[in-house]
Amino acid sequence: AQSVSQHNHHVILSEAASLELGCNYSYGGTVNLFWYVQYPGQHLQLLLKYFSGDPLVKGIKGFEAEFIKSKFSFNLRKPSVQWSDTAEYFCAVNTNAGKSTFGDGTTLTVKP
Amino acid sequence: DAGITQSPRHKVTETGTPVTLRCHQTENHRYMYWYRQDPGHGLRLIHYSYGVKDTDKGEVSDGYSVSRSKTEDFLLTLESATSSQTSVYFCAINTRRGTGGDTIYFGEGSWLTVV
Repeated sequence: AQSVSQHNHHVILSEAASLELGCNYSYGGTVNLFWYVQYPGQHLQLLLKYFSGDPLVKGIKGFEAEFIKSKFSFNLRKPSVQWSDTAEYFCAVNTNAGKSTFGDGTTLTVKP
Repeated sequence: DAGITQSPRHKVTETGTPVTLRCHQTENHRYMYWYRQDPGHGLRLIHYSYGVKDTDKGEVSDGYSVSRSKTEDFLLTLESATSSQTSVYFCAINTRRGTGGDTIYFGEGSWLTVV
């Protein structure tokens, strides 16, 4: 069975700082990879996804993620965070039968 | 927005009562899911469906049942609610078409409190 590990439970940054959230997965076959964002009191929204091709994927709101197959990683990055990026971020892996496995989430707090 | 509507959005119920949450989608997607979200546990899959009357258990299915009599509706029932089922419940759909990539989109959530 696949699993997803997000290294940081809570990250605190100042505005304009750079962000990198770690995500590692375990699964030996082909995967689809996702990052979701959940703003306080809201549902999960898709930030970006990787299916195939260029391992550097760009998403909404200036986020990007890089798939490194050899490291089973799909880290999320943003060069300069804003206060409005305060949210919880979830990495997810989808293998087959349309089922996704989610990490436990990373809470990002951006201080103004 | 994937055309997902959950109802009710908020509910308080008493221990031992049955509760049904409804998920309705407007885009005829085959796969539908129910997740629960709890602090420190992320999202956990309760049940999922891959078509009308085709459902299967997820990782935390005990105490829950589901039904899918129509493509557009996926119902989650707590047969006898317990305090441990106080949670936020999210319905989701998979936009898979044929052999295309899977992307899961979520409804807005149903906040359930069992007292």
